[in-house]
Amino acid sequence: GIQVEQSPPDLILQEGANSTLRCNFSDSVNNLQWFHQNPWGQLINLFYIPSGTKQNGRLSATTVATERYSLLYISSSQTTDSGVYFCAVMRNTGNQFYFGTGTSLTVIP
Amino acid sequence: ETGVTQSPTHLIKTRGQQVTLRCSSQSGHNTVSWYQQALGQGPQFIFQYYREEENGRGNFPPRFSGLQFPNYSSELNVNALELDDSALYLCASSLDRARNIQYFGAGTRLSVL
Repeated sequence: GIQVEQSPPDLILQEGANSTLRCNFSDSVNNLQWFHQNPWGQLINLFYIPSGTKQNGRLSATTVATERYSLLYISSSQTTDSGVYFCAVMRNTGNQFYFGTGTSLTVIP
Repeated sequence: ETGVTQSPTHLIKTRGQQVTLRCSSQSGHNTVSWYQQALGQGPQFIFQYYREEENGRGNFPPRFSGLQFPNYSSELNVNALELDDSALYLCASSLDRARNIQYFGAGTRLSVL
């Protein structure tokens, strides 16, 4: 399978701070998605971003497929941003998503 | 438009029993994937169904099996439950096979005693 490593594993921020989460993967992929898992376990799709840069409000993401990494930026963090952030990738020839181990974010007021 | 719904939300079983988990996909979505998420880990892909056919399988034993129905809802069956099967089971549906954007249900939390 594909190895997916996320960093940092844990992050604690003051409300209003900015952060960058990283996802490294070990093989060529044609699909990459970022998810937020809230404290109740619900996974929400944030971005479909196999390459390039996208922005959605305070969140943005960049994937450099040739260098096998993706970044998720969170600006002006809010307490509701707390939870675990996962990236998931799929290789060019497959139907299977491989998830990273996640970054656990805690935003304190 | 209704999202992905899963039932039951919680379940307690004993070792050796069998369990069936259910998933209703988002309206119009013809692909359903199942994942197992152990505590503190990322989801692991079990299998995917597209138009009632298994369309990919992860590294899970045959006692994990599934079905997809004509209305695209799906079931995950696990036989001969083991303690290590205790986990959150997640279902995701997708509309577009090219982008395969995953929309998740809230999950079923299974405890095996």
